[in-house]
Amino acid sequence: GAVVSQHPSWVICKSGTSVKIECRSLDFQATTMFWYRQFPKQSLMLMATSNEGSKATYEQGVEKDKFLINHASLTLSTLTVTSAHPEDSSFYICSARTTIPTDTQYFGPGTRLTVL
Amino acid sequence: AQSVAQPEDQVNVAEGNPLTVKCTYSVSGNPYLFWYVQYPNRGLQFLLKYITGDNLVKGSYGFEAEFNKSQTSFHLKKPSALVSDSALYFCAVRAGYNQGGKLIFGQGTELSVKP
Repeated sequence: GAVVSQHPSWVICKSGTSVKIECRSLDFQATTMFWYRQFPKQSLMLMATSNEGSKATYEQGVEKDKFLINHASLTLSTLTVTSAHPEDSSFYICSARTTIPTDTQYFGPGTRLTVL
Repeated sequence: AQSVAQPEDQVNVAEGNPLTVKCTYSVSGNPYLFWYVQYPNRGLQFLLKYITGDNLVKGSYGFEAEFNKSQTSFHLKKPSALVSDSALYFCAVRAGYNQGGKLIFGQGTELSVKP
């Protein structure tokens, strides 16, 4: 199946710093990419939807100035957690949607962010 | 509003026995339904989906799911469970093209298969 990568797989940072997470679709072009946040043993919470070349659409309650999303190309989206705080510690997962040959979303392996 | 419910937080099955992980949904219009599996500290792996056609959908690793419109259910099944099937399973519904295709997930069901 299609492959989506995320980098880094885990990151530890100090409070107040910014962290960038990359999401790449390796063997297909993604019409849309999604960013999710997951707390331990809980479901995925959709944070935002991004289309290449346009501004991301954020879900209610997600601070767009806090979680900056850039969708630079059909194979790359980045999530930057700005001025990170311990409450931002979480597992962040991206997914990429393709409609070829059928409409399917593929998920990245996730990034574990720990803010000290 | 669209929603997905997985009524069981955990399902315990003995290896070799059949397993069922339940999912019900609420959506306006035709539902697009999905099952994903997540292993510890990993992303989600696609198992199968229902868009249209046969109500019984076959997917990866021997899993299948049955779409039941009258009961608004999409239960995941496997005839013979393996210990390696132990993981977190998510049912999801797609909100439709006018919502940009975003998925709405159930709360997840932890499947534990014992030898």
